[in-house]
Amino acid sequence: DAGVIQSPRHEVTEMGQEVTLRCKPISGHDYLFWYRQTMMRGLELLIYFNNNVPIDDSGMPEDRFSAKMPNASFSTLKIQPSEPRDSAVYFCASSYSGQIPPYEQYFGPGTRLTVT
Amino acid sequence: QKEVEQNSGPLSVPEGAIASLNCTYSDRGSQSFFWYRQYSGKSPELIMSIYSNGDKEDGRFTAQLNKASQYVSLLIRDSQPSDSATYLCAVNVSPGAGSYQLTFGKGTKLSVIP
Repeated sequence: DAGVIQSPRHEVTEMGQEVTLRCKPISGHDYLFWYRQTMMRGLELLIYFNNNVPIDDSGMPEDRFSAKMPNASFSTLKIQPSEPRDSAVYFCASSYSGQIPPYEQYFGPGTRLTVT
Repeated sequence: QKEVEQNSGPLSVPEGAIASLNCTYSDRGSQSFFWYRQYSGKSPELIMSIYSNGDKEDGRFTAQLNKASQYVSLLIRDSQPSDSATYLCAVNVSPGAGSYQLTFGKGTKLSVIP
């Protein structure tokens, strides 16, 4: 089975540009999570969805960040405008509410974002 | 603020020894606990989950949970150089509210010396 798929794997952009990160969760999973990882702050949850509905976006750092999940197999995380401090690795993870044991999350390969 | 604390390391052990990784958490209501392994430049990979007090063994890995002390650990027996990675502890917070959110520690970097 395919795991979580993310694109692009690497993104280099200039400050002020719009950046869109993409994620395809594992088929059948009904939870999707977006994380950001930096050396200083570790792995931080930005937002998560259940059945395509945003449940908790309290981790989204600023209004410059937005996330959507238009269907069960696709989600985007957008940063507009981007800033150098947004440079990080962004991970998408998914989970299935019916799995036993519960709450296990499976991560995609990540997108390494560099904003110059 | 619900927190998960880990010693950042690095923890260095000789090949063949037992590596012991520790994690404490602040939310007494937490019920589910996870260990992820992350190689440099890669994504976190789930290696163990534990839900009940006591030990859970899977191959060379043993997870230990003590809810009274709010403490979870991971033991790696017969450590190999391929075990060198950062190990992340994760806790499901507020499970009673149906939340699937995990809070992660910052990880402990393990180095197994040949």
